[in-house]
Amino acid sequence: DSGVTQTPKHLITATGQRVTLRCSPRSGDLSVYWYQQSLDQGLQFLIQYYNGEERAKGNILERFSAQQFPDLHSELNLSSLELGDSALYFCASKRTGGYQETQYFGPGTRLLVL
Amino acid sequence: QKEVEQDPGPLSVPEGAIVSLNCTYSNSAFQYFMWYRQYSRKGPELLMYTYSSGNKEDGRFTAQVDKSSKYISLFIRDSQPSDSATYLCAMSEYGNKLVFGAGTILRVKS
Repeated sequence: DSGVTQTPKHLITATGQRVTLRCSPRSGDLSVYWYQQSLDQGLQFLIQYYNGEERAKGNILERFSAQQFPDLHSELNLSSLELGDSALYFCASKRTGGYQETQYFGPGTRLLVL
Repeated sequence: QKEVEQDPGPLSVPEGAIVSLNCTYSNSAFQYFMWYRQYSRKGPELLMYTYSSGNKEDGRFTAQVDKSSKYISLFIRDSQPSDSATYLCAMSEYGNKLVFGAGTILRVKS
């Protein structure tokens, strides 16, 4: 158990809908990263938050947005869903300070868009 | 060309074999190198972490980084059926996102 939690584990929805994925980082970790894993693209970085502020963006679509709340949990919002958005979505958290750059991953949310 | 190249396999070995997994990369700014293990599309589990060049050993696992060749390796000794999984290499610059290889599927036959 990495200490990172994600809900829900599975999500089935229809095209055009909007969903929210939730992540709680390990206790004390200020950084949260979101990744998407699809069969053809592998694990791709979407967005990073540090202590409530957006720090970096990757290959994140404009239909997707995220935020990190004062209690450090994070939410990834996916809207106007398309079939191609079906994937595993992982969040990871990282402690800040020193040279430890290791990220610890949650169990993921499996999204299926029908 | 991808920033990180990793042979997707599958790699099939008998129980007890020594397994060698490798990745090459193109970004010379990468300083932090990790290996993750992923079972059946579950969350990636951190196996090994190395900063800059050198070797690191943890039980049956040894990670090697050769920055001059932009090449990293993971060796698994005395492989077990429970080692069957997808192995992902990952690397980053300080404070940045992880860039992953495609993952190598390993099957250890009993």
